[in-house]
Amino acid sequence: AQSVSQHNHHVILSEAASLELGCNYSYGGTVNLFWYVQYPGQHLQLLLKYFSGDPLVKGIKGFEAEFIKSKFSFNLRKPSVQWSDTAEYFCAVNVEDFGGGTRLMVKP
Amino acid sequence: DTGVSQNPRHKITKRGQNVTFRCDPISEHNRLYWYRQTLGQGPEFLTYFQNEAQLEKSRLLSDRFSAERPKGSFSTLEIQRTEQGDSAMYLCASSGLGGSTDTQYFGPGTRLTVL
Repeated sequence: AQSVSQHNHHVILSEAASLELGCNYSYGGTVNLFWYVQYPGQHLQLLLKYFSGDPLVKGIKGFEAEFIKSKFSFNLRKPSVQWSDTAEYFCAVNVEDFGGGTRLMVKP
Repeated sequence: DTGVSQNPRHKITKRGQNVTFRCDPISEHNRLYWYRQTLGQGPEFLTYFQNEAQLEKSRLLSDRFSAERPKGSFSTLEIQRTEQGDSAMYLCASSGLGGSTDTQYFGPGTRLTVL
């Protein structure tokens, strides 16, 4: 199994702050990369995915992520967070391997 | 279609009992996945089906865990002789024909508590 690391377990930001959540993985072959979000009381849902092409991918709700192959990273970014972005975020490699999650709290 | 559904939503059982969970995927989806999620962790992949074929089961946690999808529609996950360590959220997801790049849609999960 591949290893997926999300180094920030908890992040607290004020509204309008910029967000970057780290994701690193330990697999050298072809990877499909995903970010999922779980809002309080809701199901996991896909934010964005990368499998080929432009390494900068845009997802829903203003999120984007950049695949840097040399760094085995797929960090999630948002230039200006909102209170409604409070949720838990999971990075995944293919469908099998998820990171431990980052819990984001945005203060109004 | 309202998405992936799972039943029951909560299950409390005594150690040593068998439990079975059901997942109904989105109707046109041919792939179905099972995961376990414990508190503070990400989902842990268990197994997946393409139609009725179980294509990956090496990551089922032990031989007490088994899954079926007999007609390629709904699936069941059974845990025999439950242990307290089996307490977790069990998630199901489904996806269409795009394979590993297709979007997975997750259900609400079944929360298992083993006393």
